[in-house]
Amino acid sequence: EPEVTQTPSHQVTQMGQEVILRCVPISNHLYFYWYRQILGQKVEFLVSFYNNEISEKSEIFDDQFSVERPDGSNFTLKIRSTKLEDSAMYFCASSAMGQGADTQYFGPGTRLTVL
Amino acid sequence: QKEVEQNSGPLSVPEGAIASLNCTYSDRGSQSFFWYRQYSGKSPELIMFIYSNGDKEDGRFTAQLNKASQYVSLLIRDSQPSDSATYLCAVIGSNSGGGADGLTFGKGTHLIIQP
Repeated sequence: EPEVTQTPSHQVTQMGQEVILRCVPISNHLYFYWYRQILGQKVEFLVSFYNNEISEKSEIFDDQFSVERPDGSNFTLKIRSTKLEDSAMYFCASSAMGQGADTQYFGPGTRLTVL
Repeated sequence: QKEVEQNSGPLSVPEGAIASLNCTYSDRGSQSFFWYRQYSGKSPELIMFIYSNGDKEDGRFTAQLNKASQYVSLLIRDSQPSDSATYLCAVIGSNSGGGADGLTFGKGTHLIIQP
């Protein structure tokens, strides 16, 4: 069964450093998403991406964040200058259709620890 | 501000009984509703989605939607110890304008099935 994959599974970085989190969405999916979950808190939407541009973003997704689809398979989230409060699980998701209700399939996540 | 509310639990249910999980949402125009299951340290896994008022059954799971009351529920019949997890309610809101729509999640209900 096709699945979303994410690398690395765990990333440790120093405050102020740049990190890139990588995702490979399900191959025939067109819509891509990033979510984060701070330990003990709810899953929060960051950004969605379609047709090589951002479709929707939340208040969390400020200028420190960017997304890119550098090739036909990868989807990346970059945090330019990490802060302690960026420590969280970051989940990538993808879906086949964007309008209305369609299933968003989640990857296993990357645990980001900022020291 | 879209909100999705769930009782955090824990909700303890004996094995073989029916587990009932509830969720309310603030955006009256919300269109699509999802239940995800999340094991500790893992990513959300879709259980069911529902779009229309009424009941929707899938195996041991039944989702119920009442848009007038802004209420969604999930029933798990013949509960098994493997059902012990956190159950997340998620909603796509009324301002979704096509394209990729971000999910708004509740904090989740921690369910414990007692053998």
